[in-house]
Amino acid sequence: EAGVAQSPRYKIIEKRQSVAFWCNPISGHATLYWYQQILGQGPKLLIQFQNNGVVDDSQLPKDRFSAERLKGVDSTLKIQPAKLEDSAVYLCASSSLTEAFFGQGTRLTVV
Amino acid sequence: DAKTTQPPSMDCAEGRAANLPCNHSTISGNEYVYWYRQIHSQGPQYIIHGLKNNETNEMASLIITEDRKSSTLILPHATLRDTAVYYCIVRVRGGLLSGTYKYIFGTGTRLKVLA
Repeated sequence: EAGVAQSPRYKIIEKRQSVAFWCNPISGHATLYWYQQILGQGPKLLIQFQNNGVVDDSQLPKDRFSAERLKGVDSTLKIQPAKLEDSAVYLCASSSLTEAFFGQGTRLTVV
Repeated sequence: DAKTTQPPSMDCAEGRAANLPCNHSTISGNEYVYWYRQIHSQGPQYIIHGLKNNETNEMASLIITEDRKSSTLILPHATLRDTAVYYCIVRVRGGLLSGTYKYIFGTGTRLKVLA
């Protein structure tokens, strides 16, 4: 079974630029999550989708972050404009009924 | 907010059992306890989960107290490759839709297995 795919693996941008991350969940998984993991901390849930609908985006900084899952499969997370404090690993996960599966993440460095 | 508390770090000798504790005193009756681990530069990896009964799989054992307010993850024979951050998670209902869940991470326990 293929895992959760994320790209790019690494990204370096200047502050105030925009950036987008892509996630392809495990086939058939209706629930998709985006997490932000700052160095030394546990992953923080940003947004949760069920198919193409948002279940929870209470922790998403909506003034600069946006996410979509238009066809209920792939998802993109965008940051515009980026700030220095957005430097982190962005993890995508999808879940079956019993567990969540995580991708390798995208490491974003904002300089 | 995370519903779990864990010690920030632990050491374990290679070949010995590693016992990682977790407190989840506010857990609700139908919420599961999950354990994940994260090896450097990788995404979290599922280990085991349980509701009330003790559970065992090829990776670990999970012991949940009778009042469900705490649990212990046991790695029976730790190896150097078990060095990682271990997260104890209470899986909670997600948003407005029933049937969906979310996994809220705390700060985890950094386990170092010593040769």
